[in-house]
Amino acid sequence: GENVEQHPSTLSVQEGDSAVIKCTYSDSASNYFPWYKQELGKRPQLIIDIRSNVGEKKDQRIAVTLNKTAKHFSLHITETQPEDSAVYFCAASMAGFQKLVFGTGTRLLVSP
Amino acid sequence: NAGVTQTPKFRVLKTGQSMTLLCAQDMNHEYMYWYRQDPGMGLRLIHYSVGEGTTAKGEVPDGYNVSRLKKQNFLLGLESAAPSQTSVYFCASSSSRPASTDTQYFGPGTRLTVL
Repeated sequence: GENVEQHPSTLSVQEGDSAVIKCTYSDSASNYFPWYKQELGKRPQLIIDIRSNVGEKKDQRIAVTLNKTAKHFSLHITETQPEDSAVYFCAASMAGFQKLVFGTGTRLLVSP
Repeated sequence: NAGVTQTPKFRVLKTGQSMTLLCAQDMNHEYMYWYRQDPGMGLRLIHYSVGEGTTAKGEVPDGYNVSRLKKQNFLLGLESAAPSQTSVYFCASSSSRPASTDTQYFGPGTRLTVL
């Protein structure tokens, strides 16, 4: 089955710096890769996603890149702000269905 | 449009007790999912449903049962609760329409403690 590894588990940056979170997946048939943000005590919420026919996608300060050959994808946050502090989860779809396999999460702390 | 809702928000059980968690969605989604979230382990799929009357096992189904009698509702049952089932439970739903984005929308979660 699909396996998703996520690194780092914690990431501390200064406000204004960039943050990068990386995930690798095992199933070459996976074709959908969402990123979720979860604030303390809240539900996971989708912040950006990418499909396997696209190499990069941007939405304001957030971008995701996908390398299908290496089977890894990354979340990039530029000009980080304290409100970016949260746990971020990557996920990959299982072949043939909308089931997602999640990474173990990255706790991002942005210090003012 | 409430999206995905879950009841209850919190529950404390004693070992061996039973309970049912209710998930409801008003987005007319075909697919629904139950996850558990434990520290350091991300979200793990317990059971899922591809439509009314259908259910299937996910990654960690042991000790849980589910039912999808109505399209908008997905119930998660614990017949005999164990301390290992202490967790935060999230329900999610997504559309099966070909033009959909595959996005899964999550409920607010249920924090369950089994003593």
